[in-house]
Amino acid sequence: DVVLTQTPSTLSATIGQSVSISCRSSQSLLDSAGNTYLYWYLQRPGQSPQLLIYLVSNLGSGVPNRFSGSGSGTDFTLKISGVEAEDLGVYYCMQATHAPLTFGSGTKLEIK
Amino acid sequence: EVQLVESGGGLVKPGSSLKLSCVASGFTFSSYGMHWIRQAPKKGLEWIALIYYDSSNKYYADSVKGRFTISRDNSKNTLYLEMNSLRSEDTAMYYCAMGIGDYWGQGVMVTVSS
Repeated sequence: DVVLTQTPSTLSATIGQSVSISCRSSQSLLDSAGNTYLYWYLQRPGQSPQLLIYLVSNLGSGVPNRFSGSGSGTDFTLKISGVEAEDLGVYYCMQATHAPLTFGSGTKLEIK
Repeated sequence: EVQLVESGGGLVKPGSSLKLSCVASGFTFSSYGMHWIRQAPKKGLEWIALIYYDSSNKYYADSVKGRFTISRDNSKNTLYLEMNSLRSEDTAMYYCAMGIGDYWGQGVMVTVSS
């Protein structure tokens, strides 16, 4: 199975600060058709996960543009440009290129 | 508005069976693959099953293969997860999710304990 390694496991930020989360894959997530099925989700406390980014860099519906995704192959990054209070929670990356679908272990964002 | 509403969870004994349901609305259910994903208490996310839009293909995580069965009824806009031979390690919040996690339900708790 593909292992997704997220760093850091915990992140503490002040309002307005920009932060980045890394997601490294044990295998390339580029498929034979040229697609990279790498996704980012935010799970706020007590809620179900919500989609932030799909296919590496595409913003989900209704997601603020302070969120951005980048990367290729095995290295991917989620950036939040100007953290807001509502951004606290756990961020997960997920890959759907290789079966079975797998998730990173999560990055908990705390607001200072 | 897309809505996914799970039901059917509860407290059961090891070895028991349970069937979860997920009722979908706000999108053309019959056009999308659907997943079940679970989250043990204080743990991360674990994908457990996928069913294609037309039920032509079904896939399972090794941890549930042979014990869980995913199915759907497109006429009822409903996704199911039949869970047999439940174990304590199956204790988790179970989420249904549309597409490739485009939308998730609120989850339903399954607790397996004697």
